[in-house]
Amino acid sequence: AQTVTQSQPEMSVQEAETVTLSCTYDTSESDYYLFWYKQPPSRQMILVIRQEAYKQQNATENRFSVNFQKAAKSFSLKISDSQLGDAAMYFCSVLQGGSEKLVFGKGTKLTVNP
Amino acid sequence: GAVVSQHPSWVICKSGTSVKIECRSLDFQATTMFWYRQFPKQSLMLMATSNEGSKATYEQGVEKDKFLINHASLTLSTLTVTSAHPEDSSFYICSAREFGTNEKLFFGSGTQLSVL
Repeated sequence: AQTVTQSQPEMSVQEAETVTLSCTYDTSESDYYLFWYKQPPSRQMILVIRQEAYKQQNATENRFSVNFQKAAKSFSLKISDSQLGDAAMYFCSVLQGGSEKLVFGKGTKLTVNP
Repeated sequence: GAVVSQHPSWVICKSGTSVKIECRSLDFQATTMFWYRQFPKQSLMLMATSNEGSKATYEQGVEKDKFLINHASLTLSTLTVTSAHPEDSSFYICSAREFGTNEKLFFGSGTQLSVL
C-alpha cells in the first residue's frame, strides 16, 4: 500500500523568502508519479508540480521546484520568492503507474507573512 | 487547461432527503472519475472510482448503497447521497482522468453538503 507523510502540519514564511515543504512516501512500485497540489481557501485543488519517478532531473515550475530523492523516497517542495497568494494547504501525493488511485498526505498549511 | 465542472458548489438539505452532485469534464473525455470526501482541515479521502459504463469501485468502509455513483457517459459522473444525515455533511470533490493518460488528473471545484 502507498503511504504519504507530510511531517509539517503548518509552516510560515516571510514574503519574498524561500520555504521548503517536506514529504516522504512509501511505494513498492518502481513506476510512479509524484505531485504537489495546492488548495487555497476556495478549496479548488490546483496542481503545482509533477515528477515522474523514472526521471532523475528535479521538476521545476517557475518559483516552484522539487528535491526528489528516489532512494530516500523523499519529495520536498521549494517555493522561492514567496508571495501572499502562495498561502494555502499543500498536499503531497503519489500515483502508482498502472494504478488509478491518487494517495494524499495530510497536508501542510502554509502561511505567508507580509 | 482541462476543466472539470462540479455542480452544485453548495447544497443544504433536510435529513432523509437525497442529494445529487454532478461532475463533468468539459473539454476532454474521462473514462475514469474519482470521488473524494474532505472533512474540515483534513486531507482528501478517496471514496470511489467511477468507470464509464461499469459499476463503481468503492473504497473500504464506504457504503455503496449510501453513495450511489453513476458514470453514464465519457464526460459525466454523478454522486447521489441517499437518505442524507447530518454525519454526511462534508466537502465532496471529484476528479477526472484524461482518457489515454495515467497521470493527468483534473479536479472539480467541490461541493459543500450541509444536512440539517
